[in-house]
Amino acid sequence: QSALTQPASVSGSPGQSITISCTGPVSDIINYNYVSWYQHHPGKAPKLIIYEVNNRPSGVPNRFSGSKSGNTASLTISGLQAEDEADYYCSSKGSSITRVFGGGTKVTVL
Amino acid sequence: QLQLAESGGGVVQPGRSLRLSCVASGFIFSASGMHWVRQAPGKGLEWVSFISFDESSKFYSDSVKGRFTISRDSSKNTLYLEMTSLRAEDTAMYFCARDGPHWDIDWWGQGTLVTVSS
Repeated sequence: QSALTQPASVSGSPGQSITISCTGPVSDIINYNYVSWYQHHPGKAPKLIIYEVNNRPSGVPNRFSGSKSGNTASLTISGLQAEDEADYYCSSKGSSITRVFGGGTKVTVL
Repeated sequence: QLQLAESGGGVVQPGRSLRLSCVASGFIFSASGMHWVRQAPGKGLEWVSFISFDESSKFYSDSVKGRFTISRDSSKNTLYLEMTSLRAEDTAMYFCARDGPHWDIDWWGQGTLVTVSS
């Protein structure tokens, strides 16, 4: 059982916006701004798309954005595109140097 | 171009051992902390282990502590994961990944598949 809880699936039509939530224990989310998000197309390497709650690495489209409120972090994909269909994982700093991941959310573009 | 290339996966019987390798290129491996993360079939990502750039710190998830050992050879730009006393629940794709500067994991390999089965 993952320490961070994500919805199993989210879907949307091209051009729409979707939001994926990531809820964790107080100690994992609320005390840290170290939430990151990863995009994973099955069979490929996972890719970092958001770090420190709401920062995008170079090259990541600005339709990906992150936020946090209380013990819930969120990833929003605006202007959904076909290539956004993938699995998405949130992650946070765990105790010491460890990491914890959410259970993953499958995004389907209708 | 940053690259992480895992190898060493395969089919192994329960109780046996296996060593995974990950060759890094395109960045200064000796200056980077490194992780192993796994994904069991149909499941999500699970953090497994971390090693600091100088090997002074090593951490493991509770599920592998005492059975897995992480190490590195910076002269060969290679990360290792020695896995012993393997169990069926260790069956997974194992990803090698680089520790990022923001408590993230900023580069991943494509993984190597380990199947534990009799």
